[in-house]
Amino acid sequence: ETGVTQTPRHLVMGMTNKKSLKCEQHLGHNAMYWYKQSAKKPLELMFVYNFKEQTENNSVPSRFSPECPNSSHLFLHLHTLQPEDSALYLCASSQGQTGNTIYFGEGSWLTVV
Amino acid sequence: AQSVTQLDSQVPVFEEAPVELRCNYSSSVSVYLFWYVQYPNQGLQLLLKYLSGSTLVKGINGFEAEFNKSQTSFHLRKPSVHISDTAEYFCAVSDLRNAGNMLTFGGGTRLMVKP
Repeated sequence: ETGVTQTPRHLVMGMTNKKSLKCEQHLGHNAMYWYKQSAKKPLELMFVYNFKEQTENNSVPSRFSPECPNSSHLFLHLHTLQPEDSALYLCASSQGQTGNTIYFGEGSWLTVV
Repeated sequence: AQSVTQLDSQVPVFEEAPVELRCNYSSSVSVYLFWYVQYPNQGLQLLLKYLSGSTLVKGINGFEAEFNKSQTSFHLRKPSVHISDTAEYFCAVSDLRNAGNMLTFGGGTRLMVKP
């Protein structure tokens, strides 16, 4: 059982499609994150939101567009992706201070064809 | 900036044998250290973390890790593994200078427990 829920779990999209990944946390945390997990590469932090404000963008291409309407919800809007963007996208949440445990969702498997 | 190196990409071991998964980090400042586990088709789950105090940290599922500042290491150990420990293990660091709570991960070690 996880306090961080991601939907959809699997997504196949064409390079011209527009889709969105959704994340919801039920833990009362004030920080939310998107991480990318690719084969043969370390987990990469993409975006960080604290109290709905974006505080980190780790040089992510603009074809990935995050949205955080409130502290419990986080979206990742996807458009004109490339096949190399195929990966597991993990959402996470925590209290914002360094050292607090970060809780991860089960991830959304994205395949770009 | 900090970095994390997990020297072994795969570690095969027989059931009930001891195991050590190695983690070394590089940072110019003090860090917090974490080990996460990822079971197949699941997200990451915290095993243990070192923030301060005793350098030997005990976590869930019988795992422990020891922080060695002079060797910049945080190796994970378990005295007797089970089949159910088969998973990917990630070491991570968090820079104390950061105002936010951001982790830098190592490449992961796949632990394969054989009967």
